[in-house]
Amino acid sequence: GAVVSQHPSWVICKSGTSVKIECRSLDFQATTMFWYRQFPKQSLMLMATSNEGSKATYEQGVEKDKFLINHASLTLSTLTVTSAHPEDSSFYICSAPGLAGHEQFFGPGTRLTVL
Amino acid sequence: KQEVTQIPAALSVPEGENLVLNCSFTDSAIYNLQWFRQDPGKGLTSLLLIQSSQREQTSGRLNASLDKSSGRSTLYIAASQPGDSATYLCARYSGAGSYQLTFGKGTKLSVIP
Repeated sequence: GAVVSQHPSWVICKSGTSVKIECRSLDFQATTMFWYRQFPKQSLMLMATSNEGSKATYEQGVEKDKFLINHASLTLSTLTVTSAHPEDSSFYICSAPGLAGHEQFFGPGTRLTVL
Repeated sequence: KQEVTQIPAALSVPEGENLVLNCSFTDSAIYNLQWFRQDPGKGLTSLLLIQSSQREQTSGRLNASLDKSSGRSTLYIAASQPGDSATYLCARYSGAGSYQLTFGKGTKLSVIP
């Protein structure tokens, strides 16, 4: 099956700093990728849809100026959490549709802790 | 806005028991549904995808069914093993041809040796 990687797997940062998370499709191209956020004991919530070569589409309630998304190539999307605060601490997971187009493949996630 | 509900929130069973996890959704539209497994602090592993035209899918000891008329899906796990302990998530695709997923909160399964 298709493989999606994320880097880093975990990060701890100070409040006010920015953190970049990478999502890569390793053996396939993805013109679209999705970013999810998962708080403890909660389900995954879609944050935004990343589109290669164009602007990302954000879900209602997600600040586009705070969560910057760049999809510069067919295999890489990045999520930058700008001026991170403790309430941004969460598990961030990306996904990409496989070549058949019927299902999603998820990355292993990035645990962000903001002190 | 569509919602996905999973019952129970947690389940503990002895090893070897067969079990059923339930998933229901509010809208009546017929879209693809996917079951995932999530281990603590880890990402998601896809288990089964049921396309809107299908009634069930099987993979090893797992069987997932989709009842469009009642808005329900079940994941059946046969002969459970301690290694099956994880959180199981059900997710619906948001529309025809859409890749966006709406997730339930999951069922945390513990299989006791």
